[in-house]
Amino acid sequence: QKEVEQDPGPLSVPEGAIVSLNCTYSNSAFQYFMWYRQYSRKGPELLMYTYSSGNKEDGRFTAQVDKSSKYISLFIRDSQPSDSATYLCAMSATGGYNKLIFGAGTRLAVHP
Amino acid sequence: DSGVTQTPKHLITATGQRVTLRCSPRSGDLSVYWYQQSLDQGLQFLIQYYNGEERAKGNILERFSAQQFPDLHSELNLSSLELGDSALYFCASSVDGQGAFAFFGQGTRLTVV
Repeated sequence: QKEVEQDPGPLSVPEGAIVSLNCTYSNSAFQYFMWYRQYSRKGPELLMYTYSSGNKEDGRFTAQVDKSSKYISLFIRDSQPSDSATYLCAMSATGGYNKLIFGAGTRLAVHP
Repeated sequence: DSGVTQTPKHLITATGQRVTLRCSPRSGDLSVYWYQQSLDQGLQFLIQYYNGEERAKGNILERFSAQQFPDLHSELNLSSLELGDSALYFCASSVDGQGAFAFFGQGTRLTVV
């Protein structure tokens, strides 16, 4: 079983839709939860991060972490064609030296 | 621009050869991570360095090695290259060694022919 599971999609939505992207994980030591956006084989770009549980909002993006269920989500409101990309969830533990573990990435296409 | 610089951007080489990929971290970042991303694959962690010392290792092949220099730049050496080593290689850096808030470079696209 992978430490981080993410549905690879693809996910296709019309412009203006609310998009929900999700990941599950198995390692209870994870405390940092990140979402990266990657455009067509470019470097991943850090979008959102959350420490431990809770919600975080930044413009059209909302990140949620439910540690009791080991489940994280990214919501995109009023989606735009420019949001078309692959979205990767990533997680790491705290203390010492920890690698960032990535999900497989979900490919999102927002069509006009 | 993330502030992480990777060179070269593209590399084409033959099987059996050896190449070196270079990464300059963001100013102030002490930790460097290397990842491999094959076609339609996720990001696979290779190795982490913190302030010149190796701190974590992933599924890195024995033909691959890395180091971080006193000026904190890092190099990933790939030897006895095989066709299956063709991939995007990303470097990321962060202030500490906890993996969070890592910023990625634009990658080196390696093609082995």
